[in-house]
Amino acid sequence: EVQLVQSGAEVKKPGESLKISCQGSGYSFTNHWIGWVRQMPGKGLEWMGIVYPGDSDTRYSPSFEGQVTISADKSINTAYLQWSSLKASDTAIYYCARPSGLYYQAVATQFFAYWGQGTLVTVSS
Amino acid sequence: IQLTQSPPFVSASVGDRVTITCRASQGIDNFLAWYQQKPGKAPKVLIYSASTLQSGVPSRFSGSGFGTEFTLTLSSLQPEDLGTYYCQHLNSYPLAFGGGTKVEIK
Repeated sequence: EVQLVQSGAEVKKPGESLKISCQGSGYSFTNHWIGWVRQMPGKGLEWMGIVYPGDSDTRYSPSFEGQVTISADKSINTAYLQWSSLKASDTAIYYCARPSGLYYQAVATQFFAYWGQGTLVTVSS
Repeated sequence: IQLTQSPPFVSASVGDRVTITCRASQGIDNFLAWYQQKPGKAPKVLIYSASTLQSGVPSRFSGSGFGTEFTLTLSSLQPEDLGTYYCQHLNSYPLAFGGGTKVEIK
């Protein structure tokens, strides 16, 4: 059974750094990209970017490029989302998700078929 | 590529037919998926390739469309269908979502 288990909720102050994680199991971690989706309070879904754990290749949404870093460690089947300097506007639930298609398959197969439980990040002074 | 969903909110009775539209800012062939998000839960994919039902999704859900206009139809609304529905294009990175349509049961 495919599972994505995310790290727990975080409360941080503006300017602090943070790295949240997403551990995959039940499948070969290097067979699929893994992505991150933001959901601000009461708002919709925003596709942030994806990483291929096999070689750490990444694709970012222009809205998030330079604001966050997406990475992965294939030795422990874990993907990461990190900030170097948090802002109050980073307050949101962050989901990791795994696409249906294999990493080398067409973009059209890269819809998210498996999701983590979400990590709530609260940034407040 | 931007996706515009309409309406943003739907209130309907059990048994009603509900239709949600998603318009793309440029042609995306049939490279579109639909998701359902129930309150407090992670999203779940319902449909991909505009009209292919994901395994395990009830047949009352259907999708259609090509190019720039797509629809998600719930043929007979059930109480468990309440939530927010999102479209997502799969044409090229970044894979953006639409703004969402919240479905309420009257």
